[in-house]
Amino acid sequence: EVQLVESGGGLVQPGGSLRLSCVASGLPFNIWWMSWVRQAPGKGLEWVATIQDDGTGKYYVDPVKGRFTVSRDNAKNSLYLQMSGLRVEDTAVYYCAALNWYKVSTWGLGTPVTVSS
Amino acid sequence: QSALTQPPSASGSLGQSVTISCTGTSADVGGSNYVSWYQQHPGKVPKLMIYEVSERPSGVPDRFSGSKSGNTASLTVSGLQAEDEGDYYCSSHAGNNILLFGGGTKVTVL
Repeated sequence: EVQLVESGGGLVQPGGSLRLSCVASGLPFNIWWMSWVRQAPGKGLEWVATIQDDGTGKYYVDPVKGRFTVSRDNAKNSLYLQMSGLRVEDTAVYYCAALNWYKVSTWGLGTPVTVSS
Repeated sequence: QSALTQPPSASGSLGQSVTISCTGTSADVGGSNYVSWYQQHPGKVPKLMIYEVSERPSGVPDRFSGSKSGNTASLTVSGLQAEDEGDYYCSSHAGNNILLFGGGTKVTVL
């Protein structure tokens, strides 16, 4: 069974930093493109970032460019999202997602991030 | 990177059909075969219902179908059942490995 388990969410003040992690199991992680998708409270889904299987290509939604960095460690079957300069509008549940030809085949359960003073 | 446009709500009676639209541009929906639809129940993780415009993953009932015309994709749920109630989101590849989601449509079964 394919599983994605996120961790690292929490409460942080505006301007602060947070690092999210996602551990994958049950899939050949090193051949999958991976993404982060977020959902603000009561709002819709928003794609945040994607990283290619070998980590060479990284793509971001405009509002997080220059503030968020996606990375991966294929030896540890792990995906990361380093978030800095956090804003109130970054408050959301962040989902780890396995991407296959631009469709999310598997979702994690999500980790909540709250940016508030 | 503008979100795709979906109606905020749609409804249909038990056993009837409902169709949800997803409007983009020629740079995304109109120019991509990678249009997907997701179902999300309250407090739950989204579930893939349709991919590549009209393909169904295994396990998704054939009551769910997808299509596209120009810059608008559509999801039709036929023979509505109570468990079909929920939020539905479209998504599309928008070039340069960018993924766009729609704002979501809340489907109510009357």
